[in-house]
Amino acid sequence: KAGVTQTPRYLIKTRGQQVTLSCSPISGHRSVSWYQQTPGQGLQFLFEYFSETQRNKGNFPGRFSGRQFSNSRSEMNVSTLELGDSALYLCASGKRGDSYNEQFFGPGTRLTVL
Amino acid sequence: DQQVKQNSPSLSVQEGRISILNCDYTNSMFDYFLWYKKYPAEGPTFLISISSIKDKNEDGRFTVFLNKSAKHLSLHIVPSQPGDSAVYFCAASAFTTGTASKLTFGTGTRLQVTL
Repeated sequence: KAGVTQTPRYLIKTRGQQVTLSCSPISGHRSVSWYQQTPGQGLQFLFEYFSETQRNKGNFPGRFSGRQFSNSRSEMNVSTLELGDSALYLCASGKRGDSYNEQFFGPGTRLTVL
Repeated sequence: DQQVKQNSPSLSVQEGRISILNCDYTNSMFDYFLWYKKYPAEGPTFLISISSIKDKNEDGRFTVFLNKSAKHLSLHIVPSQPGDSAVYFCAASAFTTGTASKLTFGTGTRLQVTL
């Protein structure tokens, strides 16, 4: 069974630009969550999508947004990039997202903002 | 505020011995706990979980203990192997608040298993 895939794996952008990251969950998984990992803050929850609807949201500014498609694939967008947005962005998929179940993470997209 | 804390940033254990990684939480709404292992340049890998109705869960060499009254959980690895060297994250979620999929992570403990 294929795991969670994220594209691209590495990205370099400059301040003020915008970026779109993509995540394909494990087949059959309908929940997709996004996390930001930085050395100072650890892993922080961004948002979660289930059946194309955002169900949960973390404490991030509105520059961070996402969406989910009917095939459960998800994209995350960051507009007006800031230096502090440099991080590893991780996507995780789960079967239902509303019950006890583990989440499976992809390898992440390393975003560097210059 | 840090709702999930891993107070030991690093731990070194000899091969064959027991590794004990600790985690404390402050939010009493958390009712499901997970441990993840992370190697550099990879996403976290799920190891083991426990719900708040249990106090112990075992899976092979890995055992997680939960002490609800102390808001403390620990991961025991017995016996420790060099391949266990990685960063271990404790995570928690609150099913009853409708945010089961929102994981709150600790800052991680780097485990090094030496020969």
